[in-house]
Amino acid sequence: KQEVTQIPAALSVPEGENLVLNCSFTDSAIYNLQWFRQDPGKGLTSLLLIQSSQREQTSGRLNASLDKSSGRSTLYIAASQPGDSATYLCAVPAYSGAGSYQLTFGKGTKLSVIP
Amino acid sequence: DTGVSQNPRHKITKRGQNVTFRCDPISEHNRLYWYRQTLGQGPEFLTYFQNEAQLEKSRLLSDRFSAERPKGSFSTLEIQRTEQGDSAMYLCASSLGPPKGYTFGSGTRLTVV
Repeated sequence: KQEVTQIPAALSVPEGENLVLNCSFTDSAIYNLQWFRQDPGKGLTSLLLIQSSQREQTSGRLNASLDKSSGRSTLYIAASQPGDSATYLCAVPAYSGAGSYQLTFGKGTKLSVIP
Repeated sequence: DTGVSQNPRHKITKRGQNVTFRCDPISEHNRLYWYRQTLGQGPEFLTYFQNEAQLEKSRLLSDRFSAERPKGSFSTLEIQRTEQGDSAMYLCASSLGPPKGYTFGSGTRLTVV
C-alpha cells in the first residue's frame, strides 16, 4: 500500500527566502506526482504535475523535482512571498482496480511566510 | 474549462439530519472522485465513478453514505442520520486518469452540531 510522507509538517520563513518542501513515497511504481496548494477552509489548487518519466517541472517561482528510484519529490519555492502562505500537499495516484486511480496524499506542509 | 464546482460551500446541520452535496465536474472528465478531509490530515478517498457507474467505495464509506452520478454528469453525495464524526471537508475531483492530473473543487465544509 502506497504511503506518502511530507516533511516538515510546518515551516515558517521570512519573506524573500528560498525554501524546499519534501515529499516521500514508499512505492516507486508511480504514474506521476501532483503538488497542490490548499488555503485555509478551501479546496485544492493544482500547482504542478510531474510525470514518472520527468525529473523536473517548473511553473513561475515553483520547481518540482522527482526521483522515482529513491521515492522522493521536492517542491522548491523561490523568493517566497506572504501570499505563498498555505498548506502544500503532494499526492500520487495508485491503481486500485475497476479503472480507479486513487490519490494517496501526504498530510501536508503548512507554510507561513513572514513579511 | 470552468473547473470543478461544489455546492454548498458550507453546511451546518443538526445531528441526525440528512444532508446532500453536489459536484459538477469538468464536462469532458469521465472519472469523478469524492474525498473527505479532516483537520490536519490529507484528503482520504471515499468513492469513485467512471461515467455513471460507481466502481469503487472505500471502507470509510458507511451505509449512511450514498453517492450517485446520473447520466455521468454531476454527482451527489448524501449522508443520512449525520453524526458529529461526519464533520469534515468533502472534496470532489475529476480527471481523465493518468497521465493527466486531477482537478479538485472548492469543497463543502460540513459541521454537525
